[in-house]
Amino acid sequence: QQPVQSPQAVILREGEDAVINCSSSKALYSVHWYRQKHGEAPVFLMILLKGGEQKGHDKISASFNEKKQQSSLYLTASQLSYSGTYFCGTEIYSGYSTLTFGKGTMLLVSP
Amino acid sequence: NAGVTQTPKFQVLKTGQSMTLQCAQDMNHEYMSWYRQDPGMGLRLIHYSVGAGITDQGEVPNGYNVSRSTTEDFPLRLLSAAPSQTSVYFCASSYSIRGNTEAFFGQGTRLTVV
Repeated sequence: QQPVQSPQAVILREGEDAVINCSSSKALYSVHWYRQKHGEAPVFLMILLKGGEQKGHDKISASFNEKKQQSSLYLTASQLSYSGTYFCGTEIYSGYSTLTFGKGTMLLVSP
Repeated sequence: NAGVTQTPKFQVLKTGQSMTLQCAQDMNHEYMSWYRQDPGMGLRLIHYSVGAGITDQGEVPNGYNVSRSTTEDFPLRLLSAAPSQTSVYFCASSYSIRGNTEAFFGQGTRLTVV
């Protein structure tokens, strides 16, 4: 079952902040975040494990609330290069791991 | 280090034709998978493999076959192409079947079925 992402789209001016949310109805083993630019392959940003840890990558960070099965991606002081579609992928451990992606959040950063 | 290589990049098929999308990785990854990406639908899992000789179905397996005879290769076969299979197909690989490792994606195959 696909995780639910919100919002579907965000338009920002350079330097503004954004939050993208991802929620699942199932108990999660981990949450992945990927960014895809138009016409390109998705590129890995970060993985979060259950336990509520928060990770960061430059000015992009994420959190994972295990109790609520929710993850949020925080983009701070957005840059033009942040534009793209962001996908969360969730893993429900059952022996083998499969990655199920949400429908994506389109982010457009304008000058 | 090439990573994940998909061929072809573009393909046009007629309804009813069959073809194989190729995927190869040179990172000695256990786990390989195929996704299709349609507008507004995100990435949906077609089939996956946890090692040579082991494959399983994902969310949308109908109309597709896979096999994994080697660690490196994971081809996706369309048995009888239908317009509903028009999509962008991505192959991905990960180091471990236990999860918690990043997925590396190929550059995709854009397939049009007419």
